[in-house]
Amino acid sequence: AQKITQTQPGMFVQEKEAVTLDCTYDTSDPSYGLFWYKQPSSGEMIFLIYQGSYDQQNATEGRYSLNFQKARKSANLVISASQLGDSAMYFCAMREAHNNDMRFGAGTRLTVKP
Amino acid sequence: DTAVSQTPKYLVTQMGNDKSIKCEQNLGHDTMYWYKQDSKKFLKIMFSYNNKELIINETVPNRFSPKSPDKAHLNLHINSLELGDSAVYFCASSRRGGNEKLFFGSGTQLSVL
Repeated sequence: AQKITQTQPGMFVQEKEAVTLDCTYDTSDPSYGLFWYKQPSSGEMIFLIYQGSYDQQNATEGRYSLNFQKARKSANLVISASQLGDSAMYFCAMREAHNNDMRFGAGTRLTVKP
Repeated sequence: DTAVSQTPKYLVTQMGNDKSIKCEQNLGHDTMYWYKQDSKKFLKIMFSYNNKELIINETVPNRFSPKSPDKAHLNLHINSLELGDSAVYFCASSRRGGNEKLFFGSGTQLSVL
């Protein structure tokens, strides 16, 4: 069974600095996708970035990048130049190719300080 | 147009009542889901439907019954509501495949008194 672990319940970062949110996963399926979602205090789930298990390069989307280390089974999210609006819950998720579901980690609450 | 819409946004009810949450997606996706987010923000999958067929049914009490009249709709009916059912319920949809992201509805905050 797939398992997603986010070990940081809460993180603080100074505005304009970079921050890394950790995510490790476990799966026996060689084909899978890794996702990060943001949930601000308003409650909606916002897709940020995707990394496929066969992708050779780390995914990037604007200020978001995914540090994918396949051998370590980690998929850390890096947010550069943090903004106050980045304060939110961040969820790492995985979807195996042969499964229909997406499983989520416990989330990390990021607070950006002015 | 909202891609995944669920109603109502807020639902306050008494213990023992029966309630339904409706979900519709206009993205043409084959797969729809219900997730429960508890007070600690943990997101747990409850059900998954693919083309109206139940694919995933996690260890959810049988008081929860999903119904998919067509592939654009997935409703959640809850019988005999309990205090522990209080949570945010999210509907989501996606295409099939491990590289496909989920599109979420805005959530339904259920409060059982």
